[in-house]
Amino acid sequence: AQTVTQSQPEMSVQEAETVTLSCTYDTSESDYYLFWYKQPPSRQMILVIRQEAYKQQNATENRFSVNFQKAAKSFSLKISDSQLGDAAMYFCAYRKSSGQNFVFGPGTRLSVLP
Amino acid sequence: DGGITQSPKYLFRKEGQNVTLSCEQNLNHDAMYWYRQDPGQGLRLIYYSQIVNDFQKGDIAEGYSVSREKKESFPLTVTSAQKNPTAFYLCASSNYGTGRAFFGQGTRLTVV
Repeated sequence: AQTVTQSQPEMSVQEAETVTLSCTYDTSESDYYLFWYKQPPSRQMILVIRQEAYKQQNATENRFSVNFQKAAKSFSLKISDSQLGDAAMYFCAYRKSSGQNFVFGPGTRLSVLP
Repeated sequence: DGGITQSPKYLFRKEGQNVTLSCEQNLNHDAMYWYRQDPGQGLRLIYYSQIVNDFQKGDIAEGYSVSREKKESFPLTVTSAQKNPTAFYLCASSNYGTGRAFFGQGTRLTVV
């Protein structure tokens, strides 16, 4: 069974600084998707970034980028120029391309210090 | 606007009562999901449905039931058999195209 691990229950970063959240996963599949979702205090789940496993290029979305290491099964999220609005729970998620189910990690709570 | 709508936002249940949480989507997605989230925890899958009139149990299906009579709708019933139903419930949908899940705003269920 696929599993997703986030080894940092809590992280903090100074405003305008850079922070990296870690995610590792376990799968025997070769074709899959990886996601980072953000859950602010409103509890609405918001997609931050998405990566397709067959693409070697790391995905980027404005201040958010990933370091996707397929062989190491690692998918870390880098947030640059951190803003107060980035404070939230961040969930890493996996989905195999031929499947419908998502597997979520336990989450990392990010605090942004002014 | 396309999206997923959950209702109500807050729900209170008395001991021994069944309650139904609504989830509607107009994204034309085939797959729909129900997740439970406890304070400070991740998402646990209750039920999912890949197509109308078909659904499968997730990791924590005991005490819950679902139906999928229409593509757009996937209601979740929390039965009296669920011993600890107080939690935040999230509904989601997806298709194969983008791979991503779209989430509703959630329902906060409290047993009183």
